[in-house]
Amino acid sequence: QSVLTQPPSVSAAPGQKVTISCSGGSSNIGNNYVSWYQQLPGTAPKLLIYDNNKRPSGIPDRFSGSKSGTSATLGITGLQTGDEADYYCGTWDSSLSARVFGGGTKLTVL
Amino acid sequence: QLQLRESGPGLVKPSETLSLTCTVSGGSISSTNYYWGWIRQPPGKGLEWIGSIYYSGSTYYNPSLKSRVTISVDTSRNQFSLKLSSVTAADTAVYYCASPRPDSSSCYHYWGQGTLVTVSS
Repeated sequence: QSVLTQPPSVSAAPGQKVTISCSGGSSNIGNNYVSWYQQLPGTAPKLLIYDNNKRPSGIPDRFSGSKSGTSATLGITGLQTGDEADYYCGTWDSSLSARVFGGGTKLTVL
Repeated sequence: QLQLRESGPGLVKPSETLSLTCTVSGGSISSTNYYWGWIRQPPGKGLEWIGSIYYSGSTYYNPSLKSRVTISVDTSRNQFSLKLSSVTAADTAVYYCASPRPDSSSCYHYWGQGTLVTVSS
């Protein structure tokens, strides 16, 4: 059971928009930065969003992040078949003194 | 551009100790002010943080693994290492080493390619 809760799967059509939620508590999301990762099959995770809403160089602006209270959201617009992957949220948990990840969300582009 | 590479045995017997090393290139471990991490992923499952280490040797560990985990650093070789004792089949996973960004220690930006460790007799 992950400390951070994500939906197991989401789906949308090419060109559409999708959001992935990440729910936590005051000891993690509520008081720490959130990051998001994309993992394509057979590859290492790739950083998409850090510090809640910042994009590393090279990440398209189709990807966005936001945080409100103890929840965070990853948004992806203009969906492409190449966006099919697993997506994970992550943050620090101050009570556990540990980094925590969500259980992951599988995105299907129909 | 920082690069990380995991190395170590791909097969470990039950009850033995898993040992992996992460070699860092393109930058110096001792010149950074953040924690270097180990993360694992069992086949078909999600990411699990194992622990992290500062160049000085200060560590944080996942509470669920703390009794079995030791992470150490060798700044002279620009490496940090993972030891996980008393392994079982449940420790079979792809093990990644990772590093934050210079401007944000709250994420993992640089990742190794991962190494599969199988626990089996």
